[in-house]
Amino acid sequence: GIQVEQSPPDLILQEGANSTLRCNFSDSVNNLQWFHQNPWGQLINLFYIPSGTKQNGRLSATTVATERYSLLYISSSQTTDSGVYFCAVVYTGTASKLTFGTGTRLQVTL
Amino acid sequence: GAVVSQHPSWVICKSGTSVKIECRSLDFQATTMFWYRQFPKQSLMLMATSNEGSKATYEQGVEKDKFLINHASLTLSTLTVTSAHPEDSSFYICSASLAGRVHYEQYFGPGTRLTVT
Repeated sequence: GIQVEQSPPDLILQEGANSTLRCNFSDSVNNLQWFHQNPWGQLINLFYIPSGTKQNGRLSATTVATERYSLLYISSSQTTDSGVYFCAVVYTGTASKLTFGTGTRLQVTL
Repeated sequence: GAVVSQHPSWVICKSGTSVKIECRSLDFQATTMFWYRQFPKQSLMLMATSNEGSKATYEQGVEKDKFLINHASLTLSTLTVTSAHPEDSSFYICSASLAGRVHYEQYFGPGTRLTVT
């Protein structure tokens, strides 16, 4: 099956700093989503981004499907950004099944 | 929009008993719902895919007789953990797919934390 690797696995930032999270996948995909899992376990949809670039406030994402990677940018980080960030893909031929990446655990400190 | 609820949010049960977890799409109809399992500090693993009115499709290694899934309506899917054992303790999360609207974008419930004693 498809491999979805995220980097870095862990990240500690001071409030106000910027960061880039990376998601590499090993096969062609039809769908890519970024999620934030908060400390209570709720997954929050950030972006649906099978290709191209999107922005939502302090967050933006870019997927280059031909090179099999996606990036999530967090600017001016806040303590509420803490949690785990997952990318997840639907790879070609698997209908709508999401395969989750390994995750990046982010801690934003004061 | 696209809100998914789960009930209960946490449950403690004794070994050998069964537990039912409900997943509801509150403001949309979900032709497809998914059940995931997440162990501490790990990623989500898909357990099964359920389509309304048909049998669930289980991922390799998931015991279908132990994890019973029913998707009786377009807004409700249930997962029953039968004869639970301590190794079944985990965080169970459901999602629902807006297929036909945004190419299979999935929305997730808040999860159910199961502890088997």
